[in-house]
Formats: sequence, structure tokens, C-alpha cells
Amino acid sequence: KNEVEQSPQNLTAQEGEFITINCSYSVGISALHWLQQHPGGGIVSLFMLSSGKKKHGRLIATINIQEKHSSLHITASHPRDSAVYICAVYGGATNKLIFGTGTLLAVQP
Amino acid sequence: ETGVTQSPTHLIKTRGQQVTLRCSSQSGHNTVSWYQQALGQGPQFIFQYYREEENGRGNFPPRFSGLQFPNYSSELNVNALELDDSALYLCASSLGQAGETQYFGPGTRLLVL
Repeated sequence: KNEVEQSPQNLTAQEGEFITINCSYSVGISALHWLQQHPGGGIVSLFMLSSGKKKHGRLIATINIQEKHSSLHITASHPRDSAVYICAVYGGATNKLIFGTGTLLAVQP
Repeated sequence: ETGVTQSPTHLIKTRGQQVTLRCSSQSGHNTVSWYQQALGQGPQFIFQYYREEENGRGNFPPRFSGLQFPNYSSELNVNALELDDSALYLCASSLGQAGETQYFGPGTRLLVL
């Protein structure tokens, strides 16, 4: 079992829909990251969370430390949001990010 | 400020050869992490360098080695290349080592034939 699990693995949405991507982890962490990866490889850091909730534009990320769970929400989705969204946790005992396998999101016009 | 850059962008090698990949960190960042991303998979941590010292390593054999220079740029060296080393290699820089936001380079796509 992976230390970081994401769901769903693939998601197709219509433009304008509200999207939720989930991340569960099984290790103790000091921080959780949400990343976006476009075709071709470039990765952009969206959020770093250690508690609560953060919002940036149409993106909202939440984390529940007790339940070891985080969600990434996209409001009013747009085709340019199509990408792979990756959850990664920073384990406090190691100096490394542990990545989920990603959620492939396709937003259709 | 300049972002994270990597070179080369693409590379083709044959089994048994050696390769060096390079990464220039974002201005002011003293930590560089390297990741391997196989097709369809999430990135896997190779190692991290903080102020020129290795500061954590993932489950990669010793033929994966690295360096960080005084200007905080970094190299990833892979010896005795194997077919399974074909992947996208990403570096990311950050300020400090404790889970700070990492800024990723565009990656180097390595194909081993």
C-alpha cells in the first residue's frame, strides 16, 4: 500500500463544474503539498499546508491532520485546469517528499 | 529572480553509459532535491542537498550520486545506466530543508536504449 493515496485517478468534468480531488496518507507529516503537472513535465507548486485551509483564486485546499486527509477543490473549472494534480507529503522523520501517483483531470468545454 | 533551470532537456544514452544532469536553483535557495518520474507514475525522491551536503536519500542505488556547488547549483550523476533509468528527472529548489515550498525545474527526459 502506498503511503500517499489519491482519488480519483482519472477525472473528466465539464467546464464550470466543481471538482474535488482527495488525498489520504498513512505517515506522520509536517506539511502537505498540492502540485500541478502539465503535459511535458513542468510541475508547479499550488499549496503547502500544515493545517486548516488555503485559497488561491479558484483553488481551495483543506487538510484534516487527525484524519490524515486533504482535499483540493477547483471551483468553476476551465479547460486550462486540465493537468495532473499531485499530492505530496513531507514526512517529519525524513528529508523527503512522498508523492501520490496523481489525478489526471480533463475539463471539457 | 530567475526560476529553476535544468539541462539538457532531452537525452538519449545506451545501457552502461554514464550521464550527468544539471540544475540551477532559484536565486537565494540553498536546498536542491532530485526526483525520478517514470511514465505514468508520481515522482520518486532520489536525494536532497543542503548547503553542499547530502541531506537525505531515497531508495536508489549508489550509482546515483550528486553534487551541490557553492552557488547551490547541483548535478545528478548516474553510472552504468540501465533501461529502467529511462524517466523524467526533476530537480526542485527551496529555501531550507524542512518541507518548504519547492520550486521545480522543467525536467530532463532521459531515454536509455
